[in-house]
Parts: sequence; structure tokens; C-alpha cells
Amino acid sequence: EPEVTQTPSHQVTQMGQEVILRCVPISNHLYFYWYRQILGQKVEFLVSFYNNEISEKSEIFDDQFSVERPDGSNFTLKIRSTKLEDSAMYFCASLGTSGGREQFFGPGTRLTVL
Amino acid sequence: RKEVEQDPGPFNVPEGATVAFNCTYSNSASQSFFWYRQDCRKEPKLLMSVYSSGNEDGRFTAQLNRASQYISLLIRDSKLSDSATYLCVLPRNTGRRALTFGSGTRLQVQP
Repeated sequence: EPEVTQTPSHQVTQMGQEVILRCVPISNHLYFYWYRQILGQKVEFLVSFYNNEISEKSEIFDDQFSVERPDGSNFTLKIRSTKLEDSAMYFCASLGTSGGREQFFGPGTRLTVL
Repeated sequence: RKEVEQDPGPFNVPEGATVAFNCTYSNSASQSFFWYRQDCRKEPKLLMSVYSSGNEDGRFTAQLNRASQYISLLIRDSKLSDSATYLCVLPRNTGRRALTFGSGTRLQVQP
């Protein structure tokens, strides 16, 4: 069964450093998303991406965040200067165009900012 | 009213019990609803989609009450493996495809 994959599974970084989280969505999907979940809290939407551009972003997705689809398979989230409060699980999701509205989530990257 | 609101639980039930969770939502224009299941420190996984009045899949039944703006999830004959957090999920109020999540209801099924 096709699945969304994410790397790394765990990233530890120092405050102020840049991190890039990587995702490989399901191959025939066209809509891509990043969500985050701070420990003990709910899943929160960050950004959606379609047709090589951001289609929607939340108030969390400020100037320190950026997304890119550098080739036909990878979808990345960059955090330019990490803060302690960026520590969270970051989930990538993708959505197909077959009429269904279900998003499929990757296993997540646990980001720890020290 | 919050966009999506759920009772956090935990619901502690014995194996074989029937348990029901409710979820209320604020956007009366919502057309699609989802129940996701999340195990500890894992990704959300789709359990059921609800597009009309309800949906049934084996031991799981979801019902939608548009007038009162709530969705319920009923689990019959609970198994130990049903222990998880159940997330009520809707499309965001922006009318696009991104999702907004409830905080989840934790279920613990005990032997």
C-alpha cells in the first residue's frame, strides 16, 4: 500500500539553527500539507501546497518557515532559525485527486530544539 | 464555540463494552467529517469518513447530527487494540482542504 514517508524520524538541533524536514508524499498525490503537534497538544495545520505554490497557511506559519518541492518526489519544510517552542512532531500529509478527501499522514519527524 | 470540541476523557472501559464519543463543531457549512485514530507518538490514521448522516464499518459507527452540529463515534465490542486517542477532524473554516483537529478523546480498553 502506498504511504507517505518522512526523514529523519528524530532531529535534535540547537536554538537558532536551521533545520530541513523531508517528506515523500504518495506518488500520484497533488496536495501536500505540513502539520505539527506539540507534545500533549492537538494537531495543528501549518501549510498546504498545490501546483508548486502555497495554497493556504496558518498563523503559525510565519517568516521563519518555508516549504519547497525541489523535485518530483520530495516535499520539504525548512525552519530558518529554530526556537525552543518549535519542538514538536511534524507530520507531512498528502491528498489525491480521485474524489476522496482523506489525507494520508507520514510517521512524523520529532524535532527537539535545545 | 470552538471549531472542534471533544471530551478529552480518558474513557476506561472493559473489553467487550460499547463506548461512544461525541464531537461538536462550530462551522455549520462543513460538509465532510473524519474520525482519525492516533496511537501514542504516532501519526493520525483515518478511521472513518462521514459525508452524509452516518457511516458504519464493522464495529465502528459514525453518526452526524447537522442540526445540533455534532458527530458521534460508537465502538461496539471494544478490543484491547482499540486503546488510542480518537480525533474528530473537519476541513478548516477557510473552505479549502486543510484540516482542523479536535484535541482528541483518549480510550483505554482494559482486560
